[in-house]
Amino acid sequence: DAGVIQSPRHEVTEMGQEVTLRCKPISGHDYLFWYRQTMMRGLELLIYFNNNVPIDDSGMPEDRFSAKMPNASFSTLKIQPSEPRDSAVYFCASSFVNEQFFGPGTRLTVL
Amino acid sequence: KNEVEQSPQNLTAQEGEFITINCSYSVGISALHWLQQHPGGGIVSLFMLSSGKKKHGRLIATINIQEKHSSLHITASHPRDSAVYICAVVMDSNYQLIWGAGTKLIIKP
Repeated sequence: DAGVIQSPRHEVTEMGQEVTLRCKPISGHDYLFWYRQTMMRGLELLIYFNNNVPIDDSGMPEDRFSAKMPNASFSTLKIQPSEPRDSAVYFCASSFVNEQFFGPGTRLTVL
Repeated sequence: KNEVEQSPQNLTAQEGEFITINCSYSVGISALHWLQQHPGGGIVSLFMLSSGKKKHGRLIATINIQEKHSSLHITASHPRDSAVYICAVVMDSNYQLIWGAGTKLIIKP
């Protein structure tokens, strides 16, 4: 298995633009997590899914952020409109039982 | 008080030294992760523990469930071990991770 796949690896955009981050979890994993990492706040859990259903989105910072998981092999995290303070590395992770496997992350820069 | 506390926050050592990073937690857990993050940013899972001790190469991780404490040891440290080491616990009420703040380790040649 290729592990958790995220795309793009780097994204530079201008304030106000829509940004879509993508994640392909490891096949067979039934949990998917989206995290954000910044220098100021460290790693934060944004949302997680179980069997494609969002379980806890309390970490989503505001309505500009939305996440979907239309099927077991794909999830998106969308920011619309983006702001400079959204600049961070966004990690996707998937798990079966307890151990989480992380994707390489998407480094987002909003100018 | 944070639910997961790591110490030290920063650690600089000479190549070859024995390194210990500590993690204490205050919540009920089903497992504990030790993760490594290199300057490039990728996160790698080193160990997942629910009891006892695990060893992989020069890395050793231990956990004491009663004392709610875990340690990560690096023997014969090397400059390539320089990274941020993160302790994260899996809450026993769900599958969420609670992260420690990380320990920045620098090994000088």
